[in-house]
Amino acid sequence: GENVEQHPSTLSVQEGDSAVIKCTYSDSASNYFPWYKQELGKRPQLIIDIRSNVGEKKDQRIAVTLNKTAKHFSLHITETQPEDSAVYFCAAGGFGADGLTFGKGTHLIIQP
Amino acid sequence: ETGVTQTPRHLVMGMTNKKSLKCEQHLGHNAMYWYKQSAKKPLELMFVYSLEERVENNSVPSRFSPECPNSSHLFLHLHTLQPEDSALYLCASSQDRGVTDTQYFGPGTRLTVL
Repeated sequence: GENVEQHPSTLSVQEGDSAVIKCTYSDSASNYFPWYKQELGKRPQLIIDIRSNVGEKKDQRIAVTLNKTAKHFSLHITETQPEDSAVYFCAAGGFGADGLTFGKGTHLIIQP
Repeated sequence: ETGVTQTPRHLVMGMTNKKSLKCEQHLGHNAMYWYKQSAKKPLELMFVYSLEERVENNSVPSRFSPECPNSSHLFLHLHTLQPEDSALYLCASSQDRGVTDTQYFGPGTRLTVL
């Protein structure tokens, strides 16, 4: 089955700086890679996703890159703001899978 | 947010109790999921239902029993749980079972087993 590793487990950055969270996956059949944000006490919510026919996708301050050869994908947040503080989960899945396999999460802390 | 709702939001139960968690989705989706979220662990997929048919998951202990009476409702029946089952239980739904369909999560039920 799929195995997703996520690093770092905790990331602290100064407000206004960039943050990068990295994930690796094991199953070369995986072709869908979403990122979820979970604020304290709230439900996970999809913030961006990427499919294997695309190498990069951007939505305002958030971008995701995918390297299928190396089996890794990353979340980039630029000009971080206090409301970016949350736990971020990466996930991977492919055709035929019963569901997504999630990483352990990264606790992003934005320092004022 | 009212797309996916879960009740109760918090539950404390003894090891000999029987309780049920309820999930309801108002999005017209065909697939529903139960996840377990424990501290410092990845979200663990427990069960998947697609068009009310269950996808088998042999790794989940039999003390967890799901039920999907229709495409809008999903239950998780609990009996003789263990303290290590204490966790946040999240329900999710998606348009169809396909992995690329966005999953919408409910707020979760915080379960504590004494």
